[in-house]
Formats: sequence, structure tokens, C-alpha cells
Amino acid sequence: AQSVAQPEDQVNVAEGNPLTVKCTYSVSGNPYLFWYVQYPNRGLQFLLKYITGDNLVKGSYGFEAEFNKSQTSFHLKKPSALVSDSALYFCAVRDPLSGSARQLTFGSGTQLTVLP
Amino acid sequence: EAGVAQSPRYKIIEKRQSVAFWCNPISGHATLYWYQQILGQGPKLLIQFQNNGVVDDSQLPKDRFSAERLKGVDSTLKIQPAKLEDSAVYLCASSLDPGRNQPQHFGDGTRLSIL
Repeated sequence: AQSVAQPEDQVNVAEGNPLTVKCTYSVSGNPYLFWYVQYPNRGLQFLLKYITGDNLVKGSYGFEAEFNKSQTSFHLKKPSALVSDSALYFCAVRDPLSGSARQLTFGSGTQLTVLP
Repeated sequence: EAGVAQSPRYKIIEKRQSVAFWCNPISGHATLYWYQQILGQGPKLLIQFQNNGVVDDSQLPKDRFSAERLKGVDSTLKIQPAKLEDSAVYLCASSLDPGRNQPQHFGDGTRLSIL
């Protein structure tokens, strides 16, 4: 079965500092990995995905994520945080070898707060 | 392009009552999903449609939840009768081609409160 863990419920960072939101996964085969962001009272918005190729993936709003197969991680990063980045971030995984091959499994979310 | 539309945005009902949610996906998106998001948790897939056929409903509580997508476009999700534990945000999403890992586009959800 596929699963994803976001070990931090809350991350605080000062504006202008780099930010990291952590994600680890468990799948049978090679994972497809996604990051989504959710602002208050809104649906989720797609940020970026890793399917294959370069381990460093660039996405929307200056975010990037690094796929690390040996550590089964897919951490979200941004070099310089903005107050407007404050939101709830979800990591998601899809295992192409699982029975529910089309299903995304989401983590429990990490609340990012960027302090001015 | 217009996004995924959902209505109503908020609904308050008493337990044992019935409720229905509506979703209009992005034009041309064959795949439609309904998720349940309980406060403090990530979205959990309830049902996935490909056009008007069900692809996955393994996590749908079929004794009280039902969903349909009769013409392969709009969809409705119904709860009958509602329980207190159904209090959550119900999100609809659509995707152009999930087999090619196209991203899911989400509506703003319906926040359901059960009294």
C-alpha cells in the first residue's frame, strides 16, 4: 500500500529565509510525487510533480522539490520565503504498481507560517 | 479557463437529514473525483469517475453515500442519512488525463456541518 508522511504539523520561518517542508513516502515501485498548497477556505492548488528524470523539480511560485530515492523523501523548498507563502501544504504519492493505481494518497498537511 | 465549480459553499444540517453537493468540472476533463477532508487531515478519495463510469469507490461508505455523473460532466454527491462524523469539507477535483499524471484541479469545496 502507498503512504506518505509529513512529519511536521507546523513550520515557522522568517520572511526572506529559506524554507523546507518535509515529506517521506512508502510505495512498492517507483513513486509519482506531488505537492499541493491550500489557502484558507479554498481548494488545493497544484505546485509541482516528480515523475521521472532530474531529482530537482521546479514548480510554481518559486518552489522546488528534491526527490531522494535512498531516503524516500520529497522535500519542498524555496530559497526565500514570502509572507504570502503562508498556507497549508500537502504532499501526495501515487504508486503505479498498487491496486489503486490511479489514486493519489495525501499526507496530513503542514501549516507553513512565514513571519514578517 | 474556468475552474472547478462547487455548490453550495456551506451547508448546515441536523444528523439523520439528507444533503447533496454539486460539482461542475473543468470543460474537457474526463476524470472527476470527490474527496472528504476532515479538519486537520489530508483529502481522502471517496469516488473517482472516468466520464460517467466509476473507476474507484472503494472508500465510499455506500450505506449512506452515493454519487453519480450521469452525462459524464456534472456530478452530485449525496449523503443520506448524515452522521456527526460526516462533518468535513467535500472537495471535487477534475483531471485531463491522470494516466499521464496530469494534475488534479480542485474546487473550493463545500463545508458541511452536522448538528
